[in-house]
Amino acid sequence: GIQVEQSPPDLILQEGANSTLRCNFSDSVNNLQWFHQNPWGQLINLFYIPSGTKQNGRLSATTVATERYSLLYISSSQTTDSGVYFCAVPGLMNRDDKIIFGKGTRLHILP
Amino acid sequence: GAGVSQTPSNKVTEKGKYVELRCDPISGHTALYWYRQSLGQGPEFLIYFQGTGAADDSGLPNDRFFAVRPEGSVSTLKIQRTERGDSAVYLCASRPGPTSTEQYFGPGTRLTVT
Repeated sequence: GIQVEQSPPDLILQEGANSTLRCNFSDSVNNLQWFHQNPWGQLINLFYIPSGTKQNGRLSATTVATERYSLLYISSSQTTDSGVYFCAVPGLMNRDDKIIFGKGTRLHILP
Repeated sequence: GAGVSQTPSNKVTEKGKYVELRCDPISGHTALYWYRQSLGQGPEFLIYFQGTGAADDSGLPNDRFFAVRPEGSVSTLKIQRTERGDSAVYLCASRPGPTSTEQYFGPGTRLTVT
């Protein structure tokens, strides 16, 4: 099955810093989602981004499907950005019956 | 509007007992998913419903796990003869329908088997 790798596994930053999180996947995909899991465990949708670039406030994401990776950018980090960031792709091409998650990047923003 | 809700938020049970976990999807969402998340890992797929039927149950680890969605809305995940290895957070997600791709997750049920 498709493999999803995220890097770095852990990231500790000072408030105000910028960061880039990476997601590599082993096969072609027709969609990709980024999630933020907050310290209370809630998974929050950040982006649905099968290709191209999207921006939402301080967050933006870019997926280069032909090269099988996606990047999540966080600018001017705030302590509320802390948590785990997951990317997820479909288990089977063109089927959305299940999504496969990476192991996540654990981000800790220090005040 | 209301998001996906799950009850209970926490469940502690003894090894060998039976448990039921409930998921209320977003109103009108036809697709419903169950995932399991162990400590330090990403969620892992268990089962997917499209309407009332289980379209894909390939992620259920063994026959102690079963899920139903009798009226195409609320779903119940049932675990028989619980084992300590079943301890995890069980997440439910829903999706509007076949033409939509984003899944929306509930807060999860933390199951602890002692």
